[in-house]
Amino acid sequence: TQLLEQSPQFLSIQEGENLTVYCNSSSVFSSLQWYRQEPGEGPVLLVTVVTGGEVKKLKRLTFQFGDARKDSSLHITAAQPGDTGLYLCAGINSGYSTLTFGKGTMLLVSP
Amino acid sequence: GAGVSQSPSNKVTEKGKDVELRCDPISGHTALYWYRQSLGQGLEFLIYFQGNSAPDKSGLPSDRFSAERTGGSVSTLTIQRTQQEDSAVYLCASRRGGTRTDTQYFGPGTRLTVL
Repeated sequence: TQLLEQSPQFLSIQEGENLTVYCNSSSVFSSLQWYRQEPGEGPVLLVTVVTGGEVKKLKRLTFQFGDARKDSSLHITAAQPGDTGLYLCAGINSGYSTLTFGKGTMLLVSP
Repeated sequence: GAGVSQSPSNKVTEKGKDVELRCDPISGHTALYWYRQSLGQGLEFLIYFQGNSAPDKSGLPSDRFSAERTGGSVSTLTIQRTQQEDSAVYLCASRRGGTRTDTQYFGPGTRLTVL
């Protein structure tokens, strides 16, 4: 069974602070996705990273895929209350048709 | 255009009763997934439909759970003889094609509470 561990589980910060959340596995994934989920809604895809060492930027969000394709990080610069939500990482393996999700990091950004 | 819709949004049932949850995927999407999300447990894969292929049922937790997809569109997840541990949010997602990295679009979910 492939597992994805996310840390921290909870993060409460003030507006304007920077933060990093992590997604780690002992397994190699062919690609990895990050989602954000708001209360009462389904997850929404933020980014897909495919190449080991790849870095993608989405405005204030920076995503990195580890060189060995076993881990990933999400860095948010100058967090805003609108960034509040549950951040989920999901691994894709070429041998499977489905995603393996981590349990998520719940982020609360206070004004 | 319309996204993935699910109904009902909330369902409260008594232990032992059967429930049916419905998912309307985005029109033209060939892939459809069901997930279960419990507090603190992340998203747990249940079942996957791709076109006319046999569904991947490897995530169904017991034989009380079943799902069908009629005409390659609407899907129904059925839970028979519900138990309290079935309480969770059930999410449906659809994807346009057969490429795994294509975007999965999620519905808002059905919150199931088994008393």
